[in-house]
Amino acid sequence: NAGVTQTPKFQVLKTGQSMTLQCAQDMNHEYMSWYRQDPGMGLRLIHYSVGAGITDQGEVPNGYNVSRSTTEDFPLRLLSAAPSQTSVYFCASRGRSGNTIYFGEGSWLTVV
Amino acid sequence: AQTVTQSQPEMSVQEAETVTLSCTYDTSESDYYLFWYKQPPSRQMILVIRQEAYKQQNATENRFSVNFQKAAKSFSLKISDSQLGDAAMYFCASRGKDYGGSQGNLIFGKGTKLSVKP
Repeated sequence: NAGVTQTPKFQVLKTGQSMTLQCAQDMNHEYMSWYRQDPGMGLRLIHYSVGAGITDQGEVPNGYNVSRSTTEDFPLRLLSAAPSQTSVYFCASRGRSGNTIYFGEGSWLTVV
Repeated sequence: AQTVTQSQPEMSVQEAETVTLSCTYDTSESDYYLFWYKQPPSRQMILVIRQEAYKQQNATENRFSVNFQKAAKSFSLKISDSQLGDAAMYFCASRGKDYGGSQGNLIFGKGTKLSVKP
């Protein structure tokens, strides 16, 4: 059981480049979400999805796009990377009635 | 809207002693869940303990227990017999019941960094 898998684990981008952080879960969970973690800020919600084809914005959505074409995958796209997007990104998932939220191991992104 | 506040950026405890981490929250939800997560230097998010708001009994997990004061909207974590492996960042979090909206997502406090002295 792989749980929640995030790729890549580390990435360095140049300002203005685009990239996609991948997130996949094999637990048939309806809920998936992306958070970013910055020093002294805790984890903040970027986007979330309550099922395939349904996405919505969280607290800090600007500069990010998401889509949910399948139950398993929830990619996060950076359209034009900025230094302010340097952060650690976490993907999470849970079942509709589940109390346990499963986190990926995090993706370290540096924008120079 | 939900908010979670951790007023202690850093705490320190002697090995084998007891420490309490504070957390207050605010929510308009009538039913909700509260959590404590541990994040070691590896950045892995580890669930420590969970409390369902409708349950009056405080949750416990081995050396970890909570003091849940619903009226005061307080949810503190007590770590007994502290061990070196308890050193980490601890996050308090809350989420509402599921109605297909944003309230089903976790809202985190800013964290408390716990150091354990040998």
